[in-house]
Amino acid sequence: DARVTQTPRHKVTEMGQEVTMRCQPILGHNTVFWYRQTMMQGLELLAYFRNRAPLDDSGMPKDRFSAEMPDATLATLKIQPSEPRDSAVYFCASGLRITGELFFGEGSRLTVL
Amino acid sequence: KNQVEQSPQSLIILEGKNCTLQCNYTVSPFSNLRWYKQDTGRGPVSLTIMTFSENTKSNGRYTATLDADTKQSSLHITASQLSDSASYICVVSSTSGTYKYIFGTGTRLKVLA
Repeated sequence: DARVTQTPRHKVTEMGQEVTMRCQPILGHNTVFWYRQTMMQGLELLAYFRNRAPLDDSGMPKDRFSAEMPDATLATLKIQPSEPRDSAVYFCASGLRITGELFFGEGSRLTVL
Repeated sequence: KNQVEQSPQSLIILEGKNCTLQCNYTVSPFSNLRWYKQDTGRGPVSLTIMTFSENTKSNGRYTATLDADTKQSSLHITASQLSDSASYICVVSSTSGTYKYIFGTGTRLKVLA
């Protein structure tokens, strides 16, 4: 049963701490997206990788957020330092081709106190 | 500007009733349109995809329509069940731009017994 796996599912941390979220895309998928979801904004694109190369991270606050794909089986999203306004659910999604179906992970719920 | 707007924002219906959710978009050039269902605390899951040449597609009790001329889509749910309670997100794909998916903010549906 192929699926996108995200860790951790829940994270509570204090302001100023570093947070790292991990994603294992579906094997063979070559597009990977990071989204942030809040009640007010819906799903916002943070970063987009194709064949592990970052194609768009314009939605990400560059001073504190960073996204990488060290290999085809792992994507990471790091926040340093974290702030209360970063509290949200972060989703990773992968797909086979541009405009194809996106397969989402279950999300990482982040709470920054 | 590429946009996807959904209505209503939220909807409450009684079990067994039908309902229709709306999606209007201004995305160009258009590639396809998908409806995703997102259960509380879970990631979105694709329900159906509509391409330019299709105007109706069914997936069980879910029927999606597309009018490419007016740039409108609807999702009709027949004989609603408690398990239909979820957010329904309309996503339009474009063949241009760095990233290809434009998300609506969703309709939150609550089905009551």
